[in-house]
Formats: sequence, structure tokens, C-alpha cells
Amino acid sequence: NAGVTQTPKFQVLKTGQSMTLQCAQDMNHNSMYWYRQDPGMGLRLIYYSASEGTTDKGEVPNGYNVSRLNKREFSLRLESAAPSQTSVYFCASSEQGIGEQYFGPGTRLTVT
Amino acid sequence: RKEVEQDPGPFNVPEGATVAFNCTYSNSASQSFFWYRQDCRKEPKLLMSVYSSGNEDGRFTAQLNRASQYISLLIRDSKLSDSATYLCVVNIGGYQKVTFGIGTKLQVIP
Repeated sequence: NAGVTQTPKFQVLKTGQSMTLQCAQDMNHNSMYWYRQDPGMGLRLIYYSASEGTTDKGEVPNGYNVSRLNKREFSLRLESAAPSQTSVYFCASSEQGIGEQYFGPGTRLTVT
Repeated sequence: RKEVEQDPGPFNVPEGATVAFNCTYSNSASQSFFWYRQDCRKEPKLLMSVYSSGNEDGRFTAQLNRASQYISLLIRDSKLSDSATYLCVVNIGGYQKVTFGIGTKLQVIP
């Protein structure tokens, strides 16, 4: 039982490049989330998926897109990376919307 | 006023001490409250939920004060392993309304 896994762990991009962050959970959870964490800002919700087949914007969705590929997988795409997207990205899942969230180990992204 | 406010610290306390953190929230409609723990360069993990009647788990006690709109976390007999950042989380219903505080850093000193 791996919980929530994320790939890659580290990534350096040049401005304008694109990439997809992958997330998978093996807990049969319905809800999945993408957050970013910046110093002094706390965790901020980018997008979430309440259930398979649905996605919705969170607090800071601009510059990102998501895909809920199936119940297990939820990916985050940066179409044209900007230095302001340098951050640590966490994927999380929960059985339902309110309650304990389980986090992946994070992806440290630097955009130069 | 921020939705969720925490003193970022750091709180430097000796082993064995008792330490308390508060977290204030701005929305009186808030429904669910949690404390998460985050170790340096790691992911957050749930420490405990905060119920209206309070919640105790070993050396950790969490309280909710709805009238003054804050939650607290008390750690007794601090251990070196308690050194971490403690995140306050408030949910006012629905997925978009989960708000994390910036966290309070605790450093327990030998």
C-alpha cells in the first residue's frame, strides 16, 4: 500500500516549457487535490476533483490544467511554465471532501 | 484579515516543556478543523481533528473556541521528535473552502 505517489520528485524547467506532474493513489479515494506550497503562503489549492470524471478550480488555477484520468490518477499540467510557478507541488487524496487528506511526497519545481 | 492566521514562530522550547499554539479563523461558518504536522521538506500529515468538545491524543490536546474563533494545540512533555511545523486547517464546507494556515514552527531543544 503505497498511499499517494508523485512523479517526478524534482524538476527544473526553462520559462515556456511544458510538463505534467503525475499523481496516483491506491486507497480507493474519491477526491483528489493539487496544492502548491510557497514560503510564507501556506498550502494553496490549485485544482481538485471531487470524483472520477469531475474537476474544479481552486484558489490559484491560472497557468495550470488537470486531468482525472481514472479514480486512481490525477495529473497537473503546466502548459507554459513561468518563474512564478517555482514551488513545491503536493497531490493529496481523501475519501470524501471533508476529512483527512493524505499527501504525496511532493514535487520540487524550479522554473528559470 | 486572513482566513486562517498562525504565528509562524519559531517556538524554541526545552525538552519536557509544555507548549501551546493558537490559530484564528475569520469565517464563523467554519465547520471542520484539523491540525497537520509537516516535517522539514516532507509532506503534511494529519495530527488530529478538532471537535467541538475538544480532542486529546496522548500528549496532544486540541481545543475549539467558536466564540472567539480560534483553535489551539497543546503539547505536553515535548520531545525532540516533536520538532516540526504545525499547520492549522479550516474547512467551511465544500472542496474549495479548505484553507491551510502558514504553519507554526516548533523546535524542541535538548
